Amino acid sequence: EAGVAQSPRYKIIEKRQSVAFWCNPISGHATLYWYQQILGQGPKLLIQFQNNGVVDDSQLPKDRFSAERLKGVDSTLKIQPAKLEDSAVYLCASSRGTDGSPLHFGNGTRLTVT
Amino acid sequence: AQSVSQHNHHVILSEAASLELGCNYSYGGTVNLFWYVQYPGQHLQLLLKYFSGDPLVKGIKGFEAEFIKSKFSFNLRKPSVQWSDTAEYFCAVGNRDDKIIFGKGTRLHILP
Repeated sequence: EAGVAQSPRYKIIEKRQSVAFWCNPISGHATLYWYQQILGQGPKLLIQFQNNGVVDDSQLPKDRFSAERLKGVDSTLKIQPAKLEDSAVYLCASSRGTDGSPLHFGNGTRLTVT
Repeated sequence: AQSVSQHNHHVILSEAASLELGCNYSYGGTVNLFWYVQYPGQHLQLLLKYFSGDPLVKGIKGFEAEFIKSKFSFNLRKPSVQWSDTAEYFCAVGNRDDKIIFGKGTRLHILP
């Protein structure tokens, strides 16, 4: 099966600019996650979708971050405006959505904010 | 709230040494437990998982992990490591809503 696709792989922007990341999960996977991984730390869950509905966005900084999953397939994550501390790798993952099914990760987008 | 603690941030071993990476979690309900691995230049991938049943689970590449409910632990083990095991290892805990929380990771470096 094709894996989780993410783009772009790398992005460099200046602070206060906006940026968007795209994710295409594995076909048929109902659950989609966005994680933020800052250098030296583990992935931190930003938002979890079940089909096109939000299950958990408690750690999403909603004043600057937004995400959507229209039609329950692809997803985009946006940051506007970016701050220096947003520099991280943004990981998209998907799963079948059944209890305990493992995550399949994309390669991530490495964001550098200068 | 869920949380995951990995005790070792950086481990260096020689080939053929035995490995044990500690993981403790905090969550009051029924959990699913995972170890993920990230090899250099690759994406995160599942190493093994525990849902229920036998608390000793076996994963790929000779890894195993033991769930000890009384200690809220899920330590990863391998009897004899290889140079190719050099990677970063993440313990993760999932609840019934499939919310999965990761530890900070342990960077393992195997000396040839």
